[in-house]
Amino acid sequence: KQEVTQIPAALSVPEGENLVLNCSFTDSAIYNLQWFRQDPGKGLTSLLLIQSSQREQTSGRLNASLDKSSGRSTLYIAASQPGDSATYLCAVAGNTPLVFGKGTRLSVIA
Amino acid sequence: SAVISQKPSRDICQRGTSLTIQCQVDSQVTMMFWYRQQPGQSLTLIATANQGSEATYESGFVIDKFPISRPNLTFSTLTVSNMSPEDSSIYLCSVPTDYGYTFGSGTRLTVV
Repeated sequence: KQEVTQIPAALSVPEGENLVLNCSFTDSAIYNLQWFRQDPGKGLTSLLLIQSSQREQTSGRLNASLDKSSGRSTLYIAASQPGDSATYLCAVAGNTPLVFGKGTRLSVIA
Repeated sequence: SAVISQKPSRDICQRGTSLTIQCQVDSQVTMMFWYRQQPGQSLTLIATANQGSEATYESGFVIDKFPISRPNLTFSTLTVSNMSPEDSSIYLCSVPTDYGYTFGSGTRLTVV
């Protein structure tokens, strides 16, 4: 059974810092990995999708990497802003529908 | 990528009543998924809804409590039946696309 773990559970940083969020998964037989952002009480916004054959994807200040063999992904956020404050969720898709981690709650302090 | 319209966005319901949540997709999709997110928790899959067949429920979820309809390839409903305060959660629908999974905006349910 696939299990997804995200570290840290919460993170508080001053504005302008670069930061890394970590995601690990137990079963490397995945089709893809997706990073989402969730604002309090809201739905999910897709940030980046990495196919199993890819090693990284970039969108603006966001960069996600994937090391399938070791079961790890990182989300790098450059020059963080207060508007980046949200919960970031990692999810993997394999033979089962998406399996989610518990998320990292990020606070960027102005 | 698909766009999902989900409603209601939020509701406050009395215990013992039922609430039906709707998701409308702007394109035809074979599979639709329903998730629950309890306060402070991550998302848990409730069931997979395929058009023309019974929904497939995950362990811990039953059809009598969470009946699902999937009348066509663009629409689905999830009903939360005989509600109790423990059902207070955010409920989300999702569909797979070529760009990953897309989610509805969620229904925030509070049972009092």
